[in-house]
Amino acid sequence: GQNIDQPTEMTATEGAIVQINCTYQTSGFNGLFWYQQHAGEAPTFLSYNVLDGLEEKGRFSSFLSRSKGYSYLLLKELQMKDSASYLCATQGGYQKVTFGTGTKLQVIP
Amino acid sequence: DGGITQSPKYLFRKEGQNVTLSCEQNLNHDAMYWYRQDPGQGLRLIYYSQIVNDFQKGDIAEGYSVSREKKESFPLTVTSAQKNPTAFYLCASSDQTGGSQPQHFGDGTRLSIL
Repeated sequence: GQNIDQPTEMTATEGAIVQINCTYQTSGFNGLFWYQQHAGEAPTFLSYNVLDGLEEKGRFSSFLSRSKGYSYLLLKELQMKDSASYLCATQGGYQKVTFGTGTKLQVIP
Repeated sequence: DGGITQSPKYLFRKEGQNVTLSCEQNLNHDAMYWYRQDPGQGLRLIYYSQIVNDFQKGDIAEGYSVSREKKESFPLTVTSAQKNPTAFYLCASSDQTGGSQPQHFGDGTRLSIL
């Protein structure tokens, strides 16, 4: 089966760095996605990790450790528009994609 | 432009009524997915399909049904057996060529009970 855990809420200051953690237990694990979702909108893709290590994409980076069932999303130089929910999702057997409950990030001035 | 279209944006259901949510994509993606999202919650998988004429139950399939007669279409029917259907429904698709690819989402349908 699949089990994904992430913190429910986080608060960070504009211009700072924040790390959002995700732990998972996924049958037939193929890879891990991070999505951003603003209130009332559809999720948008941020990153994908299949191998261990860090993937950097502008202000956002994502890390994966397959042996530990652990990932994190790192947001640098936080901006007010980064206030959103961040969803961790894993892809398992038969291309099944399962989402965590999401982490609601509030960026404050 | 290529994308996923969900309709309608808002839908109201009467007690004992079945309703069907439309999802169409012109991205030529093989895989399609339906998720349900309740306020302040994450996405829960209802059904998914990897190929035409085939689909699998997700984690909360009870009270829902789907069909995949065409590659570009994956409609979801919310049946009267679903006792708490009020939620935000999201359809997604992804390209399975060359390994895992990110999902593209439609704008969603908000379903409410009258």
